[in-house]
Amino acid sequence: EAGVAQSPRYKIIEKRQSVAFWCNPISGHATLYWYQQILGQGPKLLIQFQNNGVVDDSQLPKDRFSAERLKGVDSTLKIQPAKLEDSAVYLCASSLVGIGDTQYFGPGTRLTVL
Amino acid sequence: AQTVTQSQPEMSVQEAETVTLSCTYDTSESDYYLFWYKQPPSRQMILVIRQEAYKQQNATENRFSVNFQKAAKSFSLKISDSQLGDAAMYFCAYRREGNNDMRFGAGTRLTVKP
Repeated sequence: EAGVAQSPRYKIIEKRQSVAFWCNPISGHATLYWYQQILGQGPKLLIQFQNNGVVDDSQLPKDRFSAERLKGVDSTLKIQPAKLEDSAVYLCASSLVGIGDTQYFGPGTRLTVL
Repeated sequence: AQTVTQSQPEMSVQEAETVTLSCTYDTSESDYYLFWYKQPPSRQMILVIRQEAYKQQNATENRFSVNFQKAAKSFSLKISDSQLGDAAMYFCAYRREGNNDMRFGAGTRLTVKP
């Protein structure tokens, strides 16, 4: 069974530029999560989708971050414009149904903002 | 708000020995789940073990076991017969019943010495 796929693995941008990350969850997984992991810290949930609907985006900085999950499969997370403090690893995870199910993580995208 | 504390930023263990990683959490909920995740240098978070708060029996997965003390809000991970492949960051995580927002600790970096 293929795991959660993410691309790119690494991205370096200048502040105020835009960037987008892509995630393909495990086949059949209805729930998808985006986490931000700052160096030296544990992951923090940014947004959760159930199929193509947003379940929880309370910790997403909506002035600069946006995410979508068209057709309830792949998802993209965008930052526009990026700030220095956005430098982090962005992890995508998926689970079968939602509450109570184990979350499976992708390899992450390491973003460096200069 | 629920918080997860891992008081050991780094731990080391000799190959084939046993090591215990500590985790405490703060919650007013009675129903919740606790997890230990492993994050190798490749960054892919892998679920090690999971504990439901309503279960008194400590979870075990092969060489990995937990000591769950609900009253003390403590959830330690014991790794027996440590192997070189166990070297990684270990994150303790909490999720309350009916919610998919997982709260992670800051992590413990485990080094295994040959």
